[in-house]
Amino acid sequence: EAQVTQNPRYLITVTGKKLTVTCSQNMNHEYMSWYRQDPGLGLRQIYYSMNVEVTDKGDVPEGYKVSRKEKRNFPLILESPSPNQTSLYFCASSLYGEGGEAFFGQGTRLTVV
Amino acid sequence: GQNIDQPTEMTATEGAIVQINCTYQTSGFNGLFWYQQHAGEAPTFLSYNVLDGLEEKGRFSSFLSRSKGYSYLLLKELQMKDSASYLCAVRDRDQGGKLIFGQGTELSVKP
Repeated sequence: EAQVTQNPRYLITVTGKKLTVTCSQNMNHEYMSWYRQDPGLGLRQIYYSMNVEVTDKGDVPEGYKVSRKEKRNFPLILESPSPNQTSLYFCASSLYGEGGEAFFGQGTRLTVV
Repeated sequence: GQNIDQPTEMTATEGAIVQINCTYQTSGFNGLFWYQQHAGEAPTFLSYNVLDGLEEKGRFSSFLSRSKGYSYLLLKELQMKDSASYLCAVRDRDQGGKLIFGQGTELSVKP
């Protein structure tokens, strides 16, 4: 079954404690991205990757890091989380180029206290 | 610049038809997508338009006019389960194929 898998689904953490949200896709997609979704602000892109070892900033990259060492995995790293990073996070993957709808992971609800 | 506008919320009656509009401005248009998102869940793909015209898929249809920067999603024979947020998204080739999302239209279907 084609899918994007994110973990964990829910996470409560404290300010400053490094965390990683994993994302894996089994569709051999080149393009992967991370979004955060906040009330009234919609989905905003944090980082994206067009292929292995190719990553770039999205609209709201501050406070986040990513890596793309393998095609299937695209982890999101918060080195020092702060309360303003409390949000609902989605990973997505798609074929690069024409067409290619994005497939989304189940979401990670992160609370930073 | 880039901008996507859609109404914040709409209400419709079960069994009726509703049209959700989306207008966009983007430099490197490379397709428009509609997604459905239930509260707290992941967006799921509904439709894709890259050429002008209407795409029909069961109860859902989507229309695109590239010259007007305009699309709509038409939902027929509304069901209670159609209550959700509907997201319009445009792919921009000038930004590495990035998907730019509107803020979504919250649709409430009433009995």
